[in-house]
Amino acid sequence: EDQVTQSPEALRLQEGESSSLNCSYTVSGLRGLFWYRQDPGKGPEFLFTLYSAGEEKEKERLKATLTKKESFLHITAPKPEDSATYLCAVQAYGQNFVFGPGTRLSVLP
Amino acid sequence: IAGITQAPTSQILAAGRRMTLRCTQDMRHNAMYWYRQDLGLGLRLIHYSNTAGTTGKGEVPDGYSVSRANTDDFPLTLASAVPSQTSVYFCASSEGNTQYFGPGTRLTVL
Repeated sequence: EDQVTQSPEALRLQEGESSSLNCSYTVSGLRGLFWYRQDPGKGPEFLFTLYSAGEEKEKERLKATLTKKESFLHITAPKPEDSATYLCAVQAYGQNFVFGPGTRLSVLP
Repeated sequence: IAGITQAPTSQILAAGRRMTLRCTQDMRHNAMYWYRQDLGLGLRLIHYSNTAGTTGKGEVPDGYSVSRANTDDFPLTLASAVPSQTSVYFCASSEGNTQYFGPGTRLTVL
């Protein structure tokens, strides 16, 4: 059974304090690993897709990396507007998406 | 382009009542999905449709039904609502393996 866990459950950072969020997964035949951002009261917003171990994607202050067992979302010099819940999901070939519970990030000014 | 719209935005429903949550997309995506999101459990797939005319069961399908008469619309029906169906419901569509989500419907069953 495909599974996704995320840690930490919640993270508080000071503005400018870099950190990483973890997504650990078990899946038979990874088609893709996905990161989403979700603001309170809104639907998830797509950030990145990673397909194979060693791949990296960047967008502004965010960088996602992938190994065979986990993915990291690195946040460099975060700003308060980066506060959100970050969701990780995996998809195996021929299967539907499986989401993790998310990490709730708060960036304090 | 609106993307995905959902209606209603929120609803309070008495247990035992029938309720249909509406979802419409204007991106002409073949695949559509219904998820529920509960605190600590993340997004769980209820039903999906890979193309108009076909539907499939997800992880938590009991108590819910869907139909896909055309590409754009994917309604979710609760035949007889129960309090455990209190949740936030998200509709999504996908192009390739990228999913796009609607704004959600917050449903409370009393």
